[in-house]
Amino acid sequence: EVQLVESGGGLVQPGGSLRLSCAASGFTFSSSAMSWVRQAPGKGLEWVSGISDSGDSTYYADSVKGRFTISRDNSKNTLYLQMNSLRAEDTAVYYCANSQWFGYHMDVWGNGTTVTVSS
Amino acid sequence: QSVLTQPPSVSGAPGQRVTISCTGSSSNIGAGYDVHWYQQLPGTAPKLLIYGYSNRPSGVPDRFSGSKSGTSASLAITGLQAEDEADYYCQSYDSSLSGYVFGTGTKVTVL
Repeated sequence: EVQLVESGGGLVQPGGSLRLSCAASGFTFSSSAMSWVRQAPGKGLEWVSGISDSGDSTYYADSVKGRFTISRDNSKNTLYLQMNSLRAEDTAVYYCANSQWFGYHMDVWGNGTTVTVSS
Repeated sequence: QSVLTQPPSVSGAPGQRVTISCTGSSSNIGAGYDVHWYQQLPGTAPKLLIYGYSNRPSGVPDRFSGSKSGTSASLAITGLQAEDEADYYCQSYDSSLSGYVFGTGTKVTVL
């Protein structure tokens, strides 16, 4: 069974940092592009960042460029999102999702991890 | 920010047909990038419903169908059922943003 499990969310103060993880199983992780998508409370979906299967190419939404860094460890079947200089508007549920290649549809989504930025 | 526009809500009685539009621009749908649709049931993660405008993943009922026209796409649900109450999002790729874009989302209510 294809499964994605996010972790690392929590409460952090404005200006703080957090690292999210997404553990993958049930498919060939090293052959899949991956993305992070977030959903603020009561709002719609917003794509945050993406990475190619090898990790050589990374992509970011303008809203997080320069503050967030996406990476992956194919030996551990794990995706990461390092979030720095967090703002209140980054408060959201963060989902990871896989795709055949970056730019294509997202096949499977994790259940999400909640990030709350508040003092 | 959402660059694909959807109606905030649509509703229908059980058994009826409803459609959801997704309007983009020349840098996404109009540029020829595929449109995909996701269903988000209350309190759950999004799930792929339609990909490549009209293809259904295994397990998705054929009551769901998708189409494209110019810079827009549409999702149709025929034979509406109570379990179809959910939020629906379209998605494409935008060349000017070099990333994914989602629609504003549509809440489907079964009367």
